[in-house]
Amino acid sequence: DVVLTQSPLSLPVTLGQPASISCKSSLSLVDDDGNTYLTWFHQRPGQSPRRLIYKVSIRDSGVPDRFSGSGSGTDFTLKVSRMEAEDVGVYYCMQATYWPRTFGQGTKLEI
Amino acid sequence: EGQLVESGGSVVQPGRSLTISCKASGFKFGDFAINWVRQAPGKGLEWVGCFRSKAYGGTVHYGASVRGRFTISRDDSKGIAYLQMNSLKTEDTAVYFCGRKNQIDMWGQGTLVIVSS
Repeated sequence: DVVLTQSPLSLPVTLGQPASISCKSSLSLVDDDGNTYLTWFHQRPGQSPRRLIYKVSIRDSGVPDRFSGSGSGTDFTLKVSRMEAEDVGVYYCMQATYWPRTFGQGTKLEI
Repeated sequence: EGQLVESGGSVVQPGRSLTISCKASGFKFGDFAINWVRQAPGKGLEWVGCFRSKAYGGTVHYGASVRGRFTISRDDSKGIAYLQMNSLKTEDTAVYFCGRKNQIDMWGQGTLVIVSS
């Protein structure tokens, strides 16, 4: 199975300051169709996850532009340009290139 | 926009079986893959399995920890997906979510399954 390793696992961030989360894959996530199926989710306590970004860098509708995704091959990054109170929670990366799908361990963002 | 609603979670004894459901509304259910993802108390997300749409062969895939014990099915005419869980273990205790599409753009609210004697 593809292993996704997130770092850090916990990240205290000051309001208004940037935050960055890394997701490293044990295999290149480039699919045979040329796409890279790396997705980022945000989960607040007691809530279902919400997708933020898919195919590495495409933001979902309604996701603030302070969130951005980047990377290629095996190394990916989620950045929050300016931390807001509503951004607290756990962030997960997931790969949908290989079966079985796999998630990173999660990174807890807190103020 | 649409939504997914899980149901059927309950307390069940180890070794027993349980089937939970995922009811879709507001979109053409048959056009999309449906995933099951679970989250044990205080833990991260674990992918359980996926039933692809007919357009992609209708194939079914499972995670290693549930393969051979869990079965995913779907009724496109009713817009419902099912997760049949057999030989349940205490470590299967979790909130079970269903999600739409390979890259899961929509999630249900989850249903809690507790495996305990």
